Amino acid sequence: AQSVTQPDIHITVSEGASLELRCNYSYGATPYLFWYVQSPGQGLQLLLKYFSGDTLVQGIKGFEAEFKRSQSSFNLRKPSVHWSDAAEYFCAVRALAGGTSYGKLTFGQGTILTVHP
Amino acid sequence: EPEVTQTPSHQVTQMGQEVILRCVPISNHLYFYWYRQILGQKVEFLVSFYNNEISEKSEIFDDQFSVERPDGSNFTLKIRSTKLEDSAMYFCASVGGNYEQYFGPGTRLTVT
Repeated sequence: AQSVTQPDIHITVSEGASLELRCNYSYGATPYLFWYVQSPGQGLQLLLKYFSGDTLVQGIKGFEAEFKRSQSSFNLRKPSVHWSDAAEYFCAVRALAGGTSYGKLTFGQGTILTVHP
Repeated sequence: EPEVTQTPSHQVTQMGQEVILRCVPISNHLYFYWYRQILGQKVEFLVSFYNNEISEKSEIFDDQFSVERPDGSNFTLKIRSTKLEDSAMYFCASVGGNYEQYFGPGTRLTVT
């Protein structure tokens, strides 16, 4: 069964600083990987995804993530954090289901990002 | 941009009562999901639904839970007899041809 680990429960950065949120996954085949962001009381918004191809993927709001198969990682980065980036970030992996790409998502426990002015 | 909608946004119910959470997936999507997030915990998969039947369910999704698509647009999650531990945020999601899961804003269920 697939699993996702986000080692950092809470990260605090200053506005304008760079950011890296860690994500490690366990899955027997090539995974479909996602990063979602959740603001307080809100739903989950997709930041970016990796299915195949270029291992560096660009997302919305200036985020990017790099898939490293050898490290089973899919870390999220942003070169300069804005106060509005304060939220909880979830990494997720999707398994194939019945040979399709429509299987469930398995989420990590989330990383809460606090941004200091 | 099309979006998944959920109603109500907040539901308060007493233990033992039945609740129905409603979702309207994106119109041309064919795969539907329910997840839940207990306060402070990770988002957990409950059930997936395709072609008018359950395609996968988790161990959380016991006989107290059911899903249906009563018409061409709504997708519902029913909890037959709620327990205190059912208190959580429930998210509906749907998937289209780009394999992305689009989530609704969630229904916060509070069982007292």
